[in-house]
Amino acid sequence: GAGVSQSPSNKVTEKGKDVELRCDPISGHTALYWYRQSLGQGLEFLIYFQGNSAPDKSGLPSDRFSAERTGGSVSTLTIQRTQQEDSAVYLCASSANRGMGQFFGPGTRLTVL
Amino acid sequence: QQPVQSPQAVILREGEDAVINCSSSKALYSVHWYRQKHGEAPVFLMILLKGGEQKGHEKISASFNEKKQQSSLYLTASQLSYSGTYFCGTEDRNNNDMRFGAGTRLTVKP
Repeated sequence: GAGVSQSPSNKVTEKGKDVELRCDPISGHTALYWYRQSLGQGLEFLIYFQGNSAPDKSGLPSDRFSAERTGGSVSTLTIQRTQQEDSAVYLCASSANRGMGQFFGPGTRLTVL
Repeated sequence: QQPVQSPQAVILREGEDAVINCSSSKALYSVHWYRQKHGEAPVFLMILLKGGEQKGHEKISASFNEKKQQSSLYLTASQLSYSGTYFCGTEDRNNNDMRFGAGTRLTVKP
């Protein structure tokens, strides 16, 4: 079946603008994760959804970041008033459930000018 | 909170073996291992849920010492295709998050 998809693949925006990043998980996967990866760095956990609820929002870097998931499927990560330090690759992953292997999407490369 | 990986980098010749270690300061629910090639997304290798559990994938296997809160990834008879950055990820028993180590860059040369 289809893997995890993310859109857009690339996003260039100006400082101060809002951006929305979308993730379509593998069908039937209840767990969904968002990560951020800066160039040459590791994976920074942002948020985890089990179904539509996010029991842990502690990884979001600031209140400019928010995420939602609807219908237990598609998720959107929104960054308001973007800053240059937000530039990174944003990766989404899904798994059948917590404690199972995660399958990553190709990522969205965000560049804030 | 972030697990500690070692070594940071390894250079091997084809056919040589390597071990990558991952340790956590927290009681773990699971340990994951992923490989990421340059410009690509991480790819799931295996997950370990029980103390002492060992799993294998091709010539890549892993162990999990729950008591020591450590996991090791073993790569035997390395191939050129093994090159990439290996990340361990840990889920602890009390939090609903997933933390990754800083990664180990593995280079296999002919």
